[in-house]
Parts: sequence; C-alpha cells; structure tokens
Amino acid sequence: QKEVEQDPGPLSVPEGAIVSLNCTYSNSAFQYFMWYRQYSRKGPELLMYTYSSGNKEDGRFTAQVDKSSKYISLFIRDSQPSDSATYLCAMSAEYSSASKIIFGSGTRLSIRP
Amino acid sequence: NAGVTQTPKFQVLKTGQSMTLQCAQDMNHNSMYWYRQDPGMGLRLIYYSASEGTTDKGEVPNGYNVSRLNKREFSLRLESAAPSQTSVYFCASSVKQGNTEAFFGQGTRLTVV
Repeated sequence: QKEVEQDPGPLSVPEGAIVSLNCTYSNSAFQYFMWYRQYSRKGPELLMYTYSSGNKEDGRFTAQVDKSSKYISLFIRDSQPSDSATYLCAMSAEYSSASKIIFGSGTRLSIRP
Repeated sequence: NAGVTQTPKFQVLKTGQSMTLQCAQDMNHNSMYWYRQDPGMGLRLIYYSASEGTTDKGEVPNGYNVSRLNKREFSLRLESAAPSQTSVYFCASSVKQGNTEAFFGQGTRLTVV
C-alpha cells in the first residue's frame, strides 16, 4: 500500500463548477500538507501549504486537512479553463527534512469552457 | 530571474550509454533535489543535496550518481542507462532542507531504448 493515495482521474468539469480533489494517507506522523499544480510538460509549482488539521483559503482555492480521517482535500471555486492541470498532493512528517516529502501520483483535471 | 534550469529538455539514449543531466538555480538556494516522475508513481526522490558539499540518497538512487558542483549546480549522471530509467526527471531547489516550498525545473524527458 502506498503511503499517499490519489485518484489519477481524469476529472472533467464545466467552467464555473466547484472542484474537489482528494488524497488519503496512511502515515499518522504527517503534519505538513501541500498541493502542487503541474501544467502539461512543466514542473510542479506549490499552490497551497497547510500545517496540521484545519482549512486554509487562498482566493478560489481552499485546502482542508482532516488528520483523524487521514484525508486531505483541495477545493477550487468558480473553476476556470486555466485551472486545467495535474494536481499533486504532497506531505511530510518532518519540517527539518524536505527530502522526506511524499508525493501523490496526481489527479489530472480538465475544465471545459 | 530564470529559477531552476535543466538541460537537456529531451534525450534518447541507447541501453548502456551514459549521460549527465544538468541543473542550475539562480535563487541562492542551499538545497537541491533530483526526482523522477513516472505514470501512476508520482514524484520519487533520487538524490538530494542539503547544502553545498553534501549529497544523500533518496528513495530510488540505484543506477544514478550526483555531483553538487557548487551552490548553483547539481548534476545527475546515468552511468549505464537502462530502459527502466525512461522517465521525466525534475530538478528542484529550496531555501534550505526542510523548507517545504520546492521550486522545480521544467524537466528532462529521457527515453532509453
């Protein structure tokens, strides 16, 4: 069993819809949770970062962490065609070691105009 | 400001050939990383360098070697390429080891035939 599980999709939704992307994990020591966005043929870029449980909002994006269920989510409101990309969740147990960031396999998202 | 630059962008090798992937960052970051990305597998860490002069193995180091040439440059060498090393390779850097925001290059698409 992988430490981090992510549905690969593809997920296709109409423009303006609310998108929900999710990851589950097995390591209860994870404390740092990230979402990266990766456009086709580009490198990943950090989108959201949260520590421990709770919500964090940044514009149209909301990251949610439920440590009791070992479940994290990224919500995109008013989705735009420019949001079409692969979204990777990532998590780490130790702030002192970025080498131990574990990435999910990514969910490919397509926003239809 | 170029960020993280990788060369080459594409490469085709024959089994048994060797090559070096180059990476340079201009953000004065201390830590640098090499990942590979395969379908369904997410990003897997090959090697990392927490600071100039140090390198350590990641999750999948077999068949690779690295050199941290100076603070800016971190190269990845395949001594005897195998078809299993066909992948997209990403170099990344962060301010320091433990800083969860890693900045990625655009990737090198390597095919070994």
